[in-house]
Amino acid sequence: QKEVEQNSGPLSVPEGAIASLNCTYSDRGSQSFFWYRQYSGKSPELIMSIYSNGDKEDGRFTAQLNKASQYVSLLIRDSQPSDSATYLCAVNLSGYSTLTFGKGTMLLVSP
Amino acid sequence: NAGVMQNPRHLVRRRGQEARLRCSPMKGHSHVYWYRQLPEEGLKFMVYLQKENIIDESGMPKERFSAEFPKEGPSILRIQQVVRGDSAAYFCASSPDGPNYGYTFGSGTRLTVV
Repeated sequence: QKEVEQNSGPLSVPEGAIASLNCTYSDRGSQSFFWYRQYSGKSPELIMSIYSNGDKEDGRFTAQLNKASQYVSLLIRDSQPSDSATYLCAVNLSGYSTLTFGKGTMLLVSP
Repeated sequence: NAGVMQNPRHLVRRRGQEARLRCSPMKGHSHVYWYRQLPEEGLKFMVYLQKENIIDESGMPKERFSAEFPKEGPSILRIQQVVRGDSAAYFCASSPDGPNYGYTFGSGTRLTVV
């Protein structure tokens, strides 16, 4: 069964630190990778997409992709309490017509 | 508001009743996806539709659940004879052209079966 795996957390970091969120996926042929942020009681919000190996930066967020290791990560620099949320990794697994989501990692940023 | 519109936001049904959840995609988006999220669990795919076509319903339970996206009007997710286990948040998402560029999610419908 093709899957997307994330550590459920919570991952606790102090304000100003770097938060590192990780995701592994089971299918080597996957091409599209996404990070969503979901606040409690709210809907998921797309924050990053990445399609090729390497790093992609957008403000305080950096997505990293390593297709050989089947690994995608999200770094959040200068973490703020407002970053406290659940972060969902989503992958367009090959042979699937839709995105498959991990269960999410809860991030807690303490002031 | 050009976002994905879902209604109602909250829906309470008694066991055995029908639930109808509506979703209007973003302007310019013709692909609609329905996901279900249970507490402490991830988003589970249910069905993928384009106008008048079901593209993939592999995540939809075989009984009591149906979905449509007519030529005119919103996409509808219909749950007949609801049971307590159907209580969940149901999210609709849309995209302009398949999943390759990510989805935009609506605010969701929280279904409670009493």
